[in-house]
Amino acid sequence: DVKVTQSSRYLVKRTGEKVFLECVQDMDHENMFWYRQDPGLGLRLIYFSYDVKMKEKGDIPEGYSVSREKKERFSLILESASTNQTSMYLCASSTGGETGIIYGYTFGSGTRLTVV
Amino acid sequence: AQKVTQAQTEISVVEKEDVTLDCVYETRDTTYYLFWYKQPPSGELVFLIRRNSFDEQNEISGRYSWNFQKSTSSFNFTITASQVVDSAVYFCALTGNQFYFGTGTSLTVIP
Repeated sequence: DVKVTQSSRYLVKRTGEKVFLECVQDMDHENMFWYRQDPGLGLRLIYFSYDVKMKEKGDIPEGYSVSREKKERFSLILESASTNQTSMYLCASSTGGETGIIYGYTFGSGTRLTVV
Repeated sequence: AQKVTQAQTEISVVEKEDVTLDCVYETRDTTYYLFWYKQPPSGELVFLIRRNSFDEQNEISGRYSWNFQKSTSSFNFTITASQVVDSAVYFCALTGNQFYFGTGTSLTVIP
């Protein structure tokens, strides 16, 4: 069964910590995405990547960075976690490269991050 | 600019009632794709349907049906004879070079 796996389901971190959220997909997809989901705001795109070692800013990149050293792995990094980064983080992947997304996303189960 | 609007934030229905979730979109692209996803309490978004802009035929899958109308830029989703297992957050989305999601509609089906 193809899937997107996020390493942690629940995570609690302290303010100021550096936090790594890991996402791995086994579908050989070109595109990978990080979203955060907050009540009333829906899904907001943080960063995405069309290929290894490339990255593009989404709508809310501030306070985040990403790394894609291998095609199957896309990591989201919170350089210095803050309480306003408490959220549900969703990783997704898709085919399509830069030409567009036609077949939809496959999502991971999400990581619920709490920053205290 | 591309945008998806789901005006209904929360809906509650009693089991076996029919319910329609609204989705209105904006795009300047002539070719685009529309999607619906379901997010149950477990958190993972589950794909329900994909529709391209050239296919305006309505689609039915069991208790689910979708009404795509380009003239009103709408892609509404109807659940017939709702069940408690339908309780979830439902997202409508539009593609360009990324997904544009609506803010979601939280559906609660009361037994």
